[in-house]
Amino acid sequence: DAKTTQPNSMESNEEEPVHLPCNHSTISGTDYIHWYRQLPSQGPEYVIHGLTSNVNNRMASLAIAEDRKSSTLILHRATLRDAAVYYCILRESNAGGTSYGKLTFGQGTILTVHP
Amino acid sequence: NAGVTQTPKFQVLKTGQSMTLQCAQDMNHEYMSWYRQDPGMGLRLIHYSVGAGITDQGEVPNGYNVSRSTTEDFPLRLLSAAPSQTSVYFCASTPRAANTEAFFGQGTRLTVV
Repeated sequence: DAKTTQPNSMESNEEEPVHLPCNHSTISGTDYIHWYRQLPSQGPEYVIHGLTSNVNNRMASLAIAEDRKSSTLILHRATLRDAAVYYCILRESNAGGTSYGKLTFGQGTILTVHP
Repeated sequence: NAGVTQTPKFQVLKTGQSMTLQCAQDMNHEYMSWYRQDPGMGLRLIHYSVGAGITDQGEVPNGYNVSRSTTEDFPLRLLSAAPSQTSVYFCASTPRAANTEAFFGQGTRLTVV
């Protein structure tokens, strides 16, 4: 399985932007980059995903390096409710876009948001 | 839609007892999987299924059995509970395409004494 590397923890102040990095140097051409977050005592929830181009949704933005070996999840204005563990995951697939059924989680980044 | 429903939410077992954790999804997703999460750790894959009748082992399958007789249900069986299986268990479902999101249940907190 392709691996990802994230910092163990990061801190931010409320209403400031947060950039969460992820390295995935062994990514293959058909792997999608997914981000999930896990709030305390809850199951993981989807944040965003992308393949090659940068992506935006209501929760966050995803910036993908040109060589796809790294990506950055951007929270534009952190709130206290964004304090969570953020997981960067590669969803491996075949050339037709069908995944292999597994999501492999690493340790994730613990994000602390200060008031 | 209910999404992914796990039952029970909490369970205490004695060493050696068996039990089944239930997971059901109503989104007609092909893929389902079970994870365990120990304190301060990420999620580790126990078993997964790519469709009814098809299952495979993940990273930590020992001590657990699964079957998938329908698209909707993916139960996880603990054959003979051990204290090392004390953990929080999460079930997930997702469509087949890699550009789709996975949905997780709220978890089952299991304590084996």
